[in-house]
Amino acid sequence: KQEVTQIPAALSVPEGENLVLNCSFTDSAIYNLQWFRQDPGKGLTSLLLIQSSQREQTSGRLNASLDKSSGRSTLYIAASQPGDSATYLCAVASGGYNKLIFGAGTRLAVHP
Amino acid sequence: EAQVTQNPRYLITVTGKKLTVTCSQNMNHEYMSWYRQDPGLGLRQIYYSMNVEVTDKGDVPEGYKVSRKEKRNFPLILESPSPNQTSLYFCASMGQGNYGYTFGSGTRLTVV
Repeated sequence: KQEVTQIPAALSVPEGENLVLNCSFTDSAIYNLQWFRQDPGKGLTSLLLIQSSQREQTSGRLNASLDKSSGRSTLYIAASQPGDSATYLCAVASGGYNKLIFGAGTRLAVHP
Repeated sequence: EAQVTQNPRYLITVTGKKLTVTCSQNMNHEYMSWYRQDPGLGLRQIYYSMNVEVTDKGDVPEGYKVSRKEKRNFPLILESPSPNQTSLYFCASMGQGNYGYTFGSGTRLTVV
């Protein structure tokens, strides 16, 4: 059974730091991996989608990598800002494109 | 604007009173899913649909029903809600081509 783990569970950093959020999964047979952002009480916003055949994706200050063989993905946030404060969720499509398995998330606080 | 729309956003109801949470997408997506999010348990899939009239159970389907009579709509039905169904519910959709899921803003349901 696929399990997704995110480390750390929470992170508090000063503005301007570069950050790395980690995601690991137990079964390497995935279709894709998606990183989401969730603000308190709000919906999920898709940040980056990495197909199983890809190694990384970039969008602005965000860069996500995927190492399927080791079951790991990292989300790199450059030059963090207070507006980046949110919970970041990692999800893998496993057992079908339609079946997302989520990690518990990393709660990020960036203070001025 | 491409989006997934859920209604209502907030709902308080009493045990046993049937309710429906609506979900609609305007992207002509084939795949649709329902998730619930609970503290400490994360996001878990309730039901999913691969196309009109094609639905299947996710990880936590007990106490829920769905239907997919039209491509754009995927309502979640609670025939006899119970307090353990108090949760934050999300609808999501994805088109063919593996471009990742788009989530709605969520429905916060409280059953008393």
